[in-house]
Amino acid sequence: SYELTQPPSVSVSPGQTARITCSGDALPKQYAYWYQQKPGQAPVLVIYKDSERPSGIPERFSGSSSGTTVTLTISGVQAEDEADYYCQSADSSGTVVFGGGTKLTVL
Amino acid sequence: QVQLVQSGAEVKKPGASVKVSCKASGYTFTSYGISWVRQAPGQGLEWMGWISAYNGNTNYAQKLQGRVTMTTDTSTSTAYMELRSLRSDDTAVYYCAREAVYGVYYFDYWGQGTLVTVSS
Repeated sequence: SYELTQPPSVSVSPGQTARITCSGDALPKQYAYWYQQKPGQAPVLVIYKDSERPSGIPERFSGSSSGTTVTLTISGVQAEDEADYYCQSADSSGTVVFGGGTKLTVL
Repeated sequence: QVQLVQSGAEVKKPGASVKVSCKASGYTFTSYGISWVRQAPGQGLEWMGWISAYNGNTNYAQKLQGRVTMTTDTSTSTAYMELRSLRSDDTAVYYCAREAVYGVYYFDYWGQGTLVTVSS
């Protein structure tokens, strides 16, 4: 079955840039999406179609794609960005897959 | 504004069934599909399946085929997810999520989550 692989954790200091990667064999053919989830809350969509940002999401969130890897970049990280981040895609049969999640720690 | 409001927490015994509801408001219910996603304690997100609110078509995760049924009631703009033969590893928060574009599986609005605890 199709899998998406994320690093379990990423740590950055406030004001620095955080990069969270997500790898999967189908990513060259399928879009990726990113969600932010804070403790006790439902996920929030922060990036769609690899690099598009929904309205209301701060400009410091951006996404990119290269081959089998997509990357969520948070520029000028703030304390409020500390959360779990999940990538998501779908295979050709419409099965949705989530990555295992990355815990972003703001030092 | 778009809202998805889910039913309350449930405690079930192993082998029982649970049915969680998700009432939608603020948009045309039949113009979008609804997916169900669950999250076991301390774990990641797991997609359970999708239902079209337009025609009732479904697409279930292979892992749950035969145990899960998703339905909608268009008269009340409510989606339902029923899971049968519950096991302890079904203990999780269950979310409904609206797809942002019909037939494209990513999610712009989520319910608040429903905790289902399976315990003897």
